This record gives sequence, structure tokens and C-alpha cells, in this order.
Amino acid sequence: EVVLTQSPGTLSLSPGERATLSCRASQSVSNAYLAWYQQKPGQAPRLLIFDASSRATGIPDRFSGSGSGTDFTLTISRLEPEDFAVYYCQQCGHSPLTFGGGTKVEIK
Amino acid sequence: EVQLLESGGGLIQPGGSLRLSCAASGFIFNKYAMTWVRQAPGKGLEWVSVISDSGGSTFYTASVKGRFTISRDNSRNTLFLQMSSLRAEDSAIYYCARNGGVGPFSAADFWGQGALVTVSS
Repeated sequence: EVVLTQSPGTLSLSPGERATLSCRASQSVSNAYLAWYQQKPGQAPRLLIFDASSRATGIPDRFSGSGSGTDFTLTISRLEPEDFAVYYCQQCGHSPLTFGGGTKVEIK
Repeated sequence: EVQLLESGGGLIQPGGSLRLSCAASGFIFNKYAMTWVRQAPGKGLEWVSVISDSGGSTFYTASVKGRFTISRDNSRNTLFLQMSSLRAEDSAIYYCARNGGVGPFSAADFWGQGALVTVSS
């Protein structure tokens, strides 16, 4: 099983600041099949990024993904008030398709 | 508009069985793999199972293998999760999701609102 470790656990930032979230895999993720999701309280997750760097439909360009192999990054260039949420990475290259433990982005 | 509507959740005793359904609309159901993901109260996301577009391939996380069965009825645009030998640790919100890419190994691009399953005596 591919274990995904997200860091930091919590990120305290102000609106307008840049957020950098990390996701590290215990083994190389096939074809960079790495996705990022955003989840707000009481809501279902929303797909932001797939295949490590492709934005899902309707996702603003302030969200970007990068990385390959075992190290992946989600960057939010300038935080908007609606971006404060929990973010999860998921690898889709190997069964089981595991999730990371999440990073909470909170208002400082 | 893509819509996924889960049903069948509830309170069940340990050792019991429950079947979740997910009614899909707004897309060609038999062209997409479908996934179940769960989230225990206050915890992170846990991938449970995926089924290919035809239903011919299925995959499970280890903790549910042999107890849960994923299936689909493409004539009724419905996804199922049959859960048996339920344990307290299976208590969670169960989300149905559509796989957006090619095949079952792809990200979930649309999600339902979830069905709550509580396993307790």
C-alpha cells in the first residue's frame, strides 16, 4: 500500500498569502497519478488537481499542482477567504487508492 | 448537471448488514468507473472500493475485503455497496463518487453528499 504523508498538519496564514502544501509518497506514484481535493466542513470533497498538475473544471488558476515520483506540492498563490479548508492528496496509481491525512489551512 | 444521491444509511448493530445505493444522473453512467470513499466522524478520507464502467473489475481496501461488495446496475444508473459483518470502525459518512479519468484508477471528479452509517449496539 502506498502511504501518503501530508505536511504540515495545519497551516496558519492570512488572506492574500501564498500556501504551499506537501504530499510525500512511500513509493513512486505511477504516471504521477496524484490528485488534490478540498473539503469544507459539512461538505463533500471537491477535486482541485488531477495527474499532479492538471486543474479540474472550474478551478481557479491560483491553485496549482506540481511534482513527480514521491514528492508533490499544491500551491495556492494568493489565499482567498473561501480557500480556508482541509486539503487531501490521493494517489491513483496503485490499488488501494490511498489518501493522505490532510492539511488544514486556517486563518491566522 | 451531474448528480449523485446516496441512500440506505442508518444505525445498524455490530455484525449486521446494510446496502448503500447511489443514484446517478446527468451523465452517461456506463462510461465511468465509480468509487466509494468513507470518512469517520472528525477523521480524514478513506478510499473503500472502485468498480469499472462495465462492472467487470472491482478493487477494495484491505479492511473491507471479504465483507463489502461493490456492484452496479447500468440499466438503472445505480451504484451499490453491500456491507456485511459490520464493525464499529465502519461507522462513517460514505460518499459515492464518479471517476473522471480513464478506468478505475483515476481521480474522483464528482461526489455525492454522503450517507451516514453508524454501527452500534
